[in-house]
Amino acid sequence: DTEVTQTPKHLVMGMTNKKSLKCEQHMGHRAMYWYKQKAKKPPELMFVYSYEKLSINESVPSRFSPECPNSSLLNLHLHALQPEDSALYLCASSRGQDNSNQPQHFGDGTRLSIL
Amino acid sequence: KQEVTQIPAALSVPEGENLVLNCSFTDSAIYNLQWFRQDPGKGLTSLLLIQSSQREQTSGRLNASLDKSSGRSTLYIAASQPGDSATYLCAGGYTGGFKTIFGAGTRLFVKA
Repeated sequence: DTEVTQTPKHLVMGMTNKKSLKCEQHMGHRAMYWYKQKAKKPPELMFVYSYEKLSINESVPSRFSPECPNSSLLNLHLHALQPEDSALYLCASSRGQDNSNQPQHFGDGTRLSIL
Repeated sequence: KQEVTQIPAALSVPEGENLVLNCSFTDSAIYNLQWFRQDPGKGLTSLLLIQSSQREQTSGRLNASLDKSSGRSTLYIAASQPGDSATYLCAGGYTGGFKTIFGAGTRLFVKA
């Protein structure tokens, strides 16, 4: 069982819908990440939160909106997505500020399909 | 531009063989180097993390090395088993370790 929980596991939505992905961890980690992974490709970093503040945004389109309401929870709000946004969305966490020697722990992802 | 490259892209070996997976990175200002395993349709499992000041890390049958000067890391798997079949990804950690750049992975198949 993974220590990072992502819901839902699967999501199908139309291009005009609004939905949210949720990620939760109870390991006391203070850094949380969103990645996008297309089939047979490596994960690509989207956002990083450190101590509930956005520290890295890898030039992600505004139709993806992250939110970190507390140290255990990370959301990704989706609106007006395009078919090319269909992918596996992975959440990860790591211990915190001094991140140089702390591994990232990943959830199993949400598989998103845009119709 | 920070890039991470892995070779080979795929590897098939008989059970019991020792094998080496290779990873190279263009930016030597690396904070750490992680090796992950990914099973089909699943998330990533961290195998080993090497800090920039370290040369290698070991866990069971796995040994990972890091040579910053040459921009290379290797993952050595001893006595491979069918359960080791998966995709292995290396990732360079930058910007205090938060910015993680992944290689494309090596798909490993161990035949019984």
